Amino acid sequence: QQQVKQSPQSLIVQKGGISIINCAYENTAFDYFPWYQQFPGKGPALLIAIRPDVSEKKEGRFTISFNKSAKQFSLHIMDSQPGDSATYFCAASGLIQGAQKLVFGQGTRLTINP
Amino acid sequence: DAGVIQSPRHEVTEMGQEVTLRCKPISGHNSLFWYRQTMMRGLELLIYFNNNVPIDDSGMPEDRFSAKMPNASFSTLKIQPSEPRDSAVYFCASSFSGSTRNQYFGPGTRLTVT
Repeated sequence: QQQVKQSPQSLIVQKGGISIINCAYENTAFDYFPWYQQFPGKGPALLIAIRPDVSEKKEGRFTISFNKSAKQFSLHIMDSQPGDSATYFCAASGLIQGAQKLVFGQGTRLTINP
Repeated sequence: DAGVIQSPRHEVTEMGQEVTLRCKPISGHNSLFWYRQTMMRGLELLIYFNNNVPIDDSGMPEDRFSAKMPNASFSTLKIQPSEPRDSAVYFCASSFSGSTRNQYFGPGTRLTVT
């Protein structure tokens, strides 16, 4: 119930295309859903986040879509650029078994071909 | 401002040796997290501290692992004795106000146990 399932594991998109990464969760105690971006040799960095009372959040070329009833959320990268090539992690945060937890998905390795 | 600082960046040691990883969180942050990242298991939370007190250590794999936070600006993760299966990248992250949500990650320590 603490898991966050992320797909696909890897994704290749042409420059200028739309990259879409999907995540699903089970535990309704999760109340905050961030996405992290990780470049090789670096730590993950917070990219964008959403709360479940909002269905969509957009920051520049990055958009989170959230479906509370389906317990699913996704990251869309518009006009994908080679510099977006990285590993992306979705995550879910909430009070689980008496402690605040942030649970990460398995990650998606995104490659943008020039 | 300096981000989360970790040392060493790389550590190679022989099985059975003691390993100590160090972390300095962002000044003013009062929550600190230790993660382990491997290809097989992704990002795993090992332990987190709030105001220097361990809050959730359910992710610590076994008694060979221990973590301390003697003050607000320093934490250590110790593995004794180390084993080859401990080889991974270990990340430290910090956040403000006891939140697990917006965590700032350090660059990580790549540990190789031979």
